[in-house]
Amino acid sequence: AQSVTQLGSHVSVSEGALVLLRCNYSSSVPPYLFWYVQYPNQGLQLLLKYTTGATLVKGINGFEAEFKKSETSFHLTKPSAHMSDAAEYFCAVSDGSNDYKLSFGAGTTVTVRA
Amino acid sequence: GAGVSQTPSNKVTEKGKYVELRCDPISGHTALYWYRQSLGQGPEFLIYFQGTGAADDSGLPNDRFFAVRPEGSVSTLKIQRTERGDSAVYLCASSSQGGTEAFFGQGTRLTVV
Repeated sequence: AQSVTQLGSHVSVSEGALVLLRCNYSSSVPPYLFWYVQYPNQGLQLLLKYTTGATLVKGINGFEAEFKKSETSFHLTKPSAHMSDAAEYFCAVSDGSNDYKLSFGAGTTVTVRA
Repeated sequence: GAGVSQTPSNKVTEKGKYVELRCDPISGHTALYWYRQSLGQGPEFLIYFQGTGAADDSGLPNDRFFAVRPEGSVSTLKIQRTERGDSAVYLCASSSQGGTEAFFGQGTRLTVV
């Protein structure tokens, strides 16, 4: 079975500051890992995903995440926050047998201060 | 259509009533997923279709929940004898065979009063 823990339900950052969203996973098999973003009144949008290969994954809108097997982590970062990054972010894991049967974390809401 | 479409966007029903939620996937997508997102939580997997058949329904909470996809395109999630605890946003997603991502709809917000 797979599960995800997102540390911090709310994160507030200043515009231009580093965004760091933490995600730890539990999986009995090599995981596939995902980050999704949900803007108000919109559907979930894929930011990036890790399946195999390079452990540093770059996604849309300047976000990236690093898979660290030894730490069972997949933290999401962006060097410089924009006001448009205000949204809810979800980390998710699948077991790879079915890419999109996902176990999601509870989400982290990001607010960006001017 | 351009994306996954879910109707209605909002549904208010009385406890004990029957409801149907519809999902129109992206044209040509063979895989379709239903998730449920309760307030303050991440989405939870309900059921997965590959074509017309339910390949994995392990997430359906009980036998009041049922989903169909008779022609391998549109899917309907059916909830009988609704309870207040069924109130949530129901999300649908679709992906192509071997696709690189699943695309989510905006969801149907179900409120049981």
